[in-house]
Amino acid sequence: GAGVSQSPSNKVTEKGKDVELRCDPISGHTALYWYRQRLGQGLEFLIYFQGNSAPDKSGLPSDRFSAERTGESVSTLTIQRTQQEDSAVYLCASSPVGATMNTEAFFGQGTRLTVV
Amino acid sequence: GNSVTQMEGPVTLSEEAFLTINCTYTATGYPSLFWYVQYPGEGLQLLLKATKADDKGSNKGFEATYRKETTSFHLEKGSVQVSDSAVYFCALSRGRSSGGSYIPTFGRGTSLIVHP
Repeated sequence: GAGVSQSPSNKVTEKGKDVELRCDPISGHTALYWYRQRLGQGLEFLIYFQGNSAPDKSGLPSDRFSAERTGESVSTLTIQRTQQEDSAVYLCASSPVGATMNTEAFFGQGTRLTVV
Repeated sequence: GNSVTQMEGPVTLSEEAFLTINCTYTATGYPSLFWYVQYPGEGLQLLLKATKADDKGSNKGFEATYRKETTSFHLEKGSVQVSDSAVYFCALSRGRSSGGSYIPTFGRGTSLIVHP
């Protein structure tokens, strides 16, 4: 597609259930990022992929959170045993090959997760 | 570590008013600085950027100057329009994370509401 695509756009889940959030980056973009935005707060970095590897997972808040990427394309963020504090908008972004500190990130529209 | 501080919103203005959204940053060395905008129902997109001290980024009538002495990157527009209503995010990118990439750090975002 032309841009970063995320699905679903909205997800309501019961506390304790597992959820999977999907990100389709721009074709050919090797870098992929997940961020979380809680209400009234900034974008909180979760994890970074270069290709299918995740050299930086430092932002994952607990072992309930995991992510994978396959085919240097689609990424899935999984939250196990969801808690109410997991409610947030989850944003995915990608950057092209050879990105530097001057390179912009391209964002999807996000998945709004509500845990009830 | 790196951090970005933005003024709290919402900022409410009448059409044709002058806009300033303050942004200051903390980082070692010389980061690249960005403003992203998120229009209702859309993903974040790059508005403008500056990659070294005293550079001015500009786009769509918006401007921001990279001020190293005050560690600031304030966003300005001389005459706002209703269509500028959106959330604006200040961000920086600097150095390499433990994983070897440039992971942007974002502020919390400032909502702008422009009335006719």
